[in-house]
Amino acid sequence: DADVTQTPRNRITKTGKRIMLECSQTKGHDRMYWYRQDPGLGLRLIYYSFDVKDINKGEISDGYSVSRQAQAKFSLSLESAIPNQTALYFCATSGGNTGYEQYFGPGTRLTVT
Amino acid sequence: QKEVEQNSGPLSVPEGAIASLNCTYSDRGSQSFFWYRQYSGKSPELIMFIYSNGDKEDGRFTAQLNKASQYVSLLIRDSQPSDSATYLCAVYNTDKLIFGTGTRLQVFP
Repeated sequence: DADVTQTPRNRITKTGKRIMLECSQTKGHDRMYWYRQDPGLGLRLIYYSFDVKDINKGEISDGYSVSRQAQAKFSLSLESAIPNQTALYFCATSGGNTGYEQYFGPGTRLTVT
Repeated sequence: QKEVEQNSGPLSVPEGAIASLNCTYSDRGSQSFFWYRQYSGKSPELIMFIYSNGDKEDGRFTAQLNKASQYVSLLIRDSQPSDSATYLCAVYNTDKLIFGTGTRLQVFP
């Protein structure tokens, strides 16, 4: 079984809808991250969390919110989806050998029409 | 200036050759460096990390770090078509990994 899972894997939604992307991990890591990836722009950090009570904004948090329900679960919400939020979204965890390297989930491809 | 810079490529090498991928970073205080491989439509996969100046080898991969010149490189020996992917350089900085936009590598038979 995968150590970091994301649901859904693909989602098509309409402008203005609220949508939640979920991430779960069995690695036992404390740190979790949400990124989006767009062609030519690379990976951009949306939010990150070092434990259940710690949530931090990344470089592109506007239009997004997160919830850390447990050590193993970190959800990303788009309150009112817009077309330029169409992207590939990745969840990641860290806490391995160095504490800094990150391990990624399989991704969610989100399309906002 | 971007914090982590990579040539977008594509870098094309023949099968069996050495592929050399380079990355420069702007924060001289950075201490930890990572290379990820990402196949099209898939998630990034950690290949190697390096902290100390010099070379670190793992199988066909060698990471090289030069902190004075602020660059990190990844060498892939005996390149295979299955190595064709985008390679992301990442630098640890203030609780986050800063990623470059990646270099696309094409290995042709």
